[in-house]
Order: sequence, then C-alpha cells, then structure tokens
Amino acid sequence: EIVLTQSPGTLSLSPGERATLSCRASQSVGSNYLAWYQQKKPGQAPRLLIYGTSSRAPGIPDRFSGSGSGTHFTLTISRLEPEDFAVYYCQQYGTSPWTFGQGTKVEIK
Amino acid sequence: QVYLKESGPGLVKPSGTLSLTCTVSDGSISSENWWSWVRQTPGKGLEWIGEIFYDSGGINYNPSLKGRVSISIDKSKSEFSLWLTSVTAADTAIYFCARVNRGAFDVWGQGTKVSVSS
Repeated sequence: EIVLTQSPGTLSLSPGERATLSCRASQSVGSNYLAWYQQKKPGQAPRLLIYGTSSRAPGIPDRFSGSGSGTHFTLTISRLEPEDFAVYYCQQYGTSPWTFGQGTKVEIK
Repeated sequence: QVYLKESGPGLVKPSGTLSLTCTVSDGSISSENWWSWVRQTPGKGLEWIGEIFYDSGGINYNPSLKGRVSISIDKSKSEFSLWLTSVTAADTAIYFCARVNRGAFDVWGQGTKVSVSS
C-alpha cells in the first residue's frame, strides 16, 4: 500500500501567516488522485478541502490551494484565519487501498 | 444537502461482531456514488475500511482487515451497513461513514465511537 508521510508534524504560526504543509508518498500517486482534509477536533468528522491535487471542494475559500504531482504534494493556506487552526490530512485514492497521512497540526503560535 | 448518520452499539465484546449502519438522507443513496467506511484511532490515525457502489455492483475492502469485514447496502431503507467480525481491542475506534465523490470523501457522518471490551 502507499504510505503517505506528512511534514511537519506540528506547524506553529500566527493568524495572517502563510502555511505550507507537505505530503510525500512512498510511490507515485496514480493520476495525482490526492485529497486534503481538515479536522477541527479529535473525533470530529474531517472536511474535504481539496481533491485531485488542486481542485477546491465546494464552499472552500480560495486561501486554500493544493499542488504537486507524483510523490510530493503540498497544501498551502495563504493567510491563516482563526478557524484554520486544526489538523490536516492528505489521502490518496489512486491505488487501493486508499490511505491517509498521519496528519499535520497547525497551531497558534 | 445530503446528511449521513452512523448508528449501532457503542460497546462490543472481544471476538464478537461489530455492526454499524449509516443512514443517508434525502434519498441520494440511489445516485451513482460509492459509499464508504473509515475509522480513526489515536494509534493508527485514519484508516479506510471499505466501500460499496450504490447498486451493490462493486465492493472493495482494505486487505489489512483480512477478510473480517463485510459491507452491504439497502437502497429501500436509504442505508448501508458494516460488519466486522472477530473484533479485538485494536478495533476500538471512531467509525465514520462517508460518500465518495470524484474519488474523495466529500460528505461524512458525525462518527460513532465503538469500544471493544468485555
């Protein structure tokens, strides 16, 4: 199965700053089928932000953007809003079994 | 707008069978989507369990669950279900149902906590 490794584990930033989250895959993600999710609280349902590497899900603000290809993908939050402090997960759906990264926590500095 | 909600016992005995149901609002279970189960544990994080196509024409499971998992769908009841047999403490988790749209999980249930304990 494809193992996704996210870095850093924790990102400490202030509101208004730019956040750059990384997701590396153990092998190439088929068709760049890579998604990003936000989870506000432990046990709360994740929310889809990005699918297909760079397409925003409906209702997601344009400060969220995704990029990458092959084995390296990035989620960028251009200017952090207070509601953006959360845990972010990447997930690949190019090769079954679909797998998730371990998450990056974006916390207030 | 579609809503999903999980239901089922919150406590299952070791070696028993975990059984959960996901109810889909507004009849959209009949649309051409895959419907999926995902679980989350503090140790392993988010783990995809399996998925079923709306007409039962396709079912996929995570091989890591080694044949213990089964998923079915009942469009007449607007629900799909998960069974996990021979459970152990390692199956203690929050279980989510989700809709698959363009490959990603775009709508999630609120999640239900299941503990495996005697």
